[in-house]
Amino acid sequence: GENVEQHPSTLSVQEGDSAVIKCTYSDSASNYFPWYKQELGKGPQLIIDIRSNVGEKKDQRIAVTLNKTAKHFSLHITETQPEDSAVYFCAASISGANSKLTFGKGITLSVRP
Amino acid sequence: KAGVTQTPRYLIKTRGQQVTLSCSPISGHRSVSWYQQTPGQGLQFLFEYFSETQRNKGNFPGRFSGRQFSNSRSEMNVSTLELGDSALYLCASSFEQGNYGYTFGSGTRLTVV
Repeated sequence: GENVEQHPSTLSVQEGDSAVIKCTYSDSASNYFPWYKQELGKGPQLIIDIRSNVGEKKDQRIAVTLNKTAKHFSLHITETQPEDSAVYFCAASISGANSKLTFGKGITLSVRP
Repeated sequence: KAGVTQTPRYLIKTRGQQVTLSCSPISGHRSVSWYQQTPGQGLQFLFEYFSETQRNKGNFPGRFSGRQFSNSRSEMNVSTLELGDSALYLCASSFEQGNYGYTFGSGTRLTVV
C-alpha cells in the first residue's frame, strides 16, 4: 500500500521567514495530495490540495508543488506568522470511490515572534 | 454553516468495555470517514460510509465497527476495549465518496484504563 513520509519532523522559523515542508510517497498511482493543519485540541483542517495533473497551486501565502517523477510534494508558507504554528500533515490517495487518505506522521512548525 | 460535530469530546472507559462514538456531518455531506490518531501511528483510516453502506475499510480488527443512518449521521463502536485503543478518533465528512475536500471534526479523545 501507499507510504507517505514527511521531513523534517520539527521545523522552527523566524516570523516573516519562509517554511518548506517536504513529503514523499511510494505509490505512483496516487493522484491527490492534500495538506492539513492541526492546532491543539482541534481536528485537522484542509489548507490546500493538489491533483496530479498540475505541478503547482497557490493560495495567498501558501503554495504546494508536486514532482510526480520523484514522487514528492512540498508545502511552502511565505511570510510566516505566529498563528502558522501548528502540526502539518501531508497525505496521498488514489482518487476514486473506494479511496482512502494515507497520512504522513506530521511536522510541528514553530514560528518564533 | 455548522461543521462536523463529534460527541462526546472526552471519554474514559475500562478495559473490556465497549464504546460508541457519534459523528454528525456537515449538512448535505453524504460521506463519513473515521480515522484513529495516536502519537506513534499518526492518522490511520478506519472506514468510510456513504449512503448507509460501508464503502471502504482500513486494517483494524473486527472489534471496530460502524454504521451510518439515513440522515448521514454515523456512529462507530469499539468492543472489548484494550489499552492500545486509547486515541483521538476523528470523523471527516465530504459531499461525495472518496476523500476530496474532507472536513474533520474536533474528535473524541478516548482513554482506556
